[in-house]
Amino acid sequence: QQPVQSPQAVILREGEDAVINCSSSKALYSVHWYRQKHGEAPVFLMILLKGGEQKGHEKISASFNEKKQQSSLYLTASQLSYSGTYFCGTGAAGNKLTFGGGTRVLVKP
Amino acid sequence: GAVVSQHPSRVICKSGTSVKIECRSLDFQATTMFWYRQFPKQSLMLMATSNEGSKATYEQGVEKDKFLINHASLTLSTLTVTSAHPEDSSFYICSARERVYLARENTGELFFGEGSRLTVL
Repeated sequence: QQPVQSPQAVILREGEDAVINCSSSKALYSVHWYRQKHGEAPVFLMILLKGGEQKGHEKISASFNEKKQQSSLYLTASQLSYSGTYFCGTGAAGNKLTFGGGTRVLVKP
Repeated sequence: GAVVSQHPSRVICKSGTSVKIECRSLDFQATTMFWYRQFPKQSLMLMATSNEGSKATYEQGVEKDKFLINHASLTLSTLTVTSAHPEDSSFYICSARERVYLARENTGELFFGEGSRLTVL
């Protein structure tokens, strides 16, 4: 079942913060976050495996709630390079990922 | 990080012809590769899971006779779109995990190929 991402799109000024949410109706094995630039392949950001886990990658961090049904990606002090579409991928049995609908992020100068 | 190479990056073909897309893991062994399809401004939809030495596992709604997947070695998987039609035009992306992660499902990152944009006229 496809996870639900929100918002669908967000426009930021450089230096502003944003939060992207990813939720599922059932507990997840893992959550993966990727960023895709237009016309390019997705690039891995991070994986969260444990309930309550938090991770960071430069000024981008993510959390996985205790029940493992919701994850949030935090863009802090956004840079122009953060523009792109962010996808969460949720893990289930079978070693495959199901991706959310994506959140388009545009960072303006 | 690991590198996955996909070829061709762009292909234009006539309706009714077949097109083969290759996905190679260049510096690691990939027991499992995944094929995704992406329409403009939409998410990545998993089409099938390709397992080395065995038949691919297709997602519901994906025609296995139309999208032939072969995973002949630990570094190569191919997707053949047979008798392509304009509605098959899309961005096809493969991805792979390193073999070391096989014992721990979904704990390894996916390495994506560059994608192949198929246009069927």
